[in-house]
Amino acid sequence: SYELTQPPSVSVSPGQAASITCSGDKLGDKYSCWYQQKPGQSPVLVIYQDTKRPSGIPERFSGSNSGNTATLTISGTQAMDEADYYCQAWDSSTKVFGGGTKLTVL
Amino acid sequence: QVQLQESGPGLVKSSETLALTCTVSGGSISSRYWNWIRQPPGRGLEWIGYVFYSGSTYYNPSLKSRVTISIDTSKNQFSLRLSSVTAADTAVYYCARDIGDTYYYGMDVWGQGTTVIVSS
Repeated sequence: SYELTQPPSVSVSPGQAASITCSGDKLGDKYSCWYQQKPGQSPVLVIYQDTKRPSGIPERFSGSNSGNTATLTISGTQAMDEADYYCQAWDSSTKVFGGGTKLTVL
Repeated sequence: QVQLQESGPGLVKSSETLALTCTVSGGSISSRYWNWIRQPPGRGLEWIGYVFYSGSTYYNPSLKSRVTISIDTSKNQFSLRLSSVTAADTAVYYCARDIGDTYYYGMDVWGQGTTVIVSS
């Protein structure tokens, strides 16, 4: 079965850029998306179709996808961005989620 | 804007069938793809399956033998049934809508989630 691999944790200082990677076989040939989930809340779509932002998502969130890696970048990270982030893609028969990355802003 | 709300029993006995409903408000269910996703306590997200407004479905192969997702356009609702549950099915269950007219771009509207505990 298809797997997406994310680092368990990423730390960033306020105001700096944070990058979270998601790796999978030929992931660049598929569409990827990213969700933000804060404790006790439902996931929120922050990037879809590799690079697009839903309405209401700040411009500091951006995405890319090439080769075997999709990347979520948060520029000018704010304390409110501290959350779990999940990548997701569709592989022939199922929607697959990465294991999640806890972003700490300190 | 479109909102989703899950409903159903919060406690299900082992070996029985879990049944949840997602009610769509603020828009019609008669388009798009509609999904169920779950999240065990302290763990990541797992996609269960989707239903298209036409009634066609697709399920996670790992759950396919136990899952049925259906849609009732007259009530603006879609439902999940998961049979022969065990403690491993204890999770927060979410319903969600796919963005756009496809099932592979991402899910942009989520319900608040409902906790289901499987008891022995």
